[in-house]
Amino acid sequence: DAGITQSPRHKVTETGTPVTLRCHQTENHRYMYWYRQDPGHGLRLIHYSYGVKDTDKGEVSDGYSVSRSKTEDFLLTLESATSSQTSVYFCAISDGGSGYTFGSGTRLTVV
Amino acid sequence: AQSVTQLGSHVSVSEGALVLLRCNYSSSVPPYLFWYVQYPNQGLQLLLKYTSAATLVKGINGFEAEFKKSETSFHLTKPSAHMSDAAEYFCAVSDSGNFNKFYFGSGTKLNVKP
Repeated sequence: DAGITQSPRHKVTETGTPVTLRCHQTENHRYMYWYRQDPGHGLRLIHYSYGVKDTDKGEVSDGYSVSRSKTEDFLLTLESATSSQTSVYFCAISDGGSGYTFGSGTRLTVV
Repeated sequence: AQSVTQLGSHVSVSEGALVLLRCNYSSSVPPYLFWYVQYPNQGLQLLLKYTSAATLVKGINGFEAEFKKSETSFHLTKPSAHMSDAAEYFCAVSDSGNFNKFYFGSGTKLNVKP
């Protein structure tokens, strides 16, 4: 989607390795979010950020950490990847008004 | 706390038939409500949103939804389904006063039969 990009788009990694996913925005929006999407669960919030260096946990934050050192980038790190973290990860941005803009997603497979 | 329930993980309709996708919410504050659509291998696109203005909301591609506070519902409808409507649809509620976090339903996959 225009103004928000996720990288990589696909990744296969081994159990126990650290993995970092990147979300980059050009909209200068204050709020950024990481969700994971799994069949039957919809999208579940992992972490979110409400400003540079301001982050907080969502409903499924165990095993994940985030960092936001500048407005445009929000990084999601899986500290030690497990098979249960195989999922599609979506980043979203918001200016605090109504509605999110979503990235195209990162498909992560942990083997 | 906010939550969303979407009744029916799969809905199948014939081309030209009415589409009805159900969404019920719970919210401790006046809600903002949204419908998103996801086509295969893509991100989510906003279909329409309710933000406390008119209770009947019109969105893109001929979809609309009606906010009914008494029923805590926000069902999505389209009078006549098209093959291109086949996708997964997500209802979401926002606690707009708390960092604008969204809570999503589990999704409904719409199949359109020729």
